[in-house]
Amino acid sequence: DTAVSQTPKYLVTQMGNDKSIKCEQNLGHDTMYWYKQDSKKFLKIMFSYNNKELIINETVPNRFSPKSPDKAHLNLHINSLELGDSAVYFCASRAGGWREDYNEQFFGPGTRLTVL
Amino acid sequence: GQNIDQPTEMTATEGAIVQINCTYQTSGFNGLFWYQQHAGEAPTFLSYNVLDGLEEKGRFSSFLSRSKGYSYLLLKELQMKDSASYLCAVSPPPSYIPTFGRGTSLIVHP
Repeated sequence: DTAVSQTPKYLVTQMGNDKSIKCEQNLGHDTMYWYKQDSKKFLKIMFSYNNKELIINETVPNRFSPKSPDKAHLNLHINSLELGDSAVYFCASRAGGWREDYNEQFFGPGTRLTVL
Repeated sequence: GQNIDQPTEMTATEGAIVQINCTYQTSGFNGLFWYQQHAGEAPTFLSYNVLDGLEEKGRFSSFLSRSKGYSYLLLKELQMKDSASYLCAVSPPPSYIPTFGRGTSLIVHP
């Protein structure tokens, strides 16, 4: 029944490690996003994909690499983790194409990443 | 720019009415969204305004004035469960990058 799911929910790791977060949506949406929400609760777009194609890459360090094997999945791989990467990462999806922004976004439950 | 400004925090009493403002410096977007985010949870959709004016949806209403670059969310008959962060968001062309305000943390007191 879950519309947008993410795994894992919590991720605690050491600086320098590589980790991945997975996201899946069963809503049949064409557009998916990754957001980072920092400790001050500011929700900032990182990437946007439309039907498996990268549309937006918002000046995110290239240690972050999204991958969309199909339009229902958008995974996020992070290399060489840094302390500043600690945040909550949200995946979201929306119906319609990347310009059709009149549909609301559905968010996953978030992944709380802590880098020690 | 696409600056979106919201008050950081507001407090109100159970049963009261509160208005959360959002001002923005962008143009040409299709509509403005409001989302609610409870602590430790994901944002969830509340409302979407395309036309100027007030859209009412139960206890929650949202208003948009494009000429003034201004929106507000009106919450009536406040309940304790309304304590949450409220975020406004737009996706202006040409990039249609979803841009959120920093959110207004609403605390409802008994």
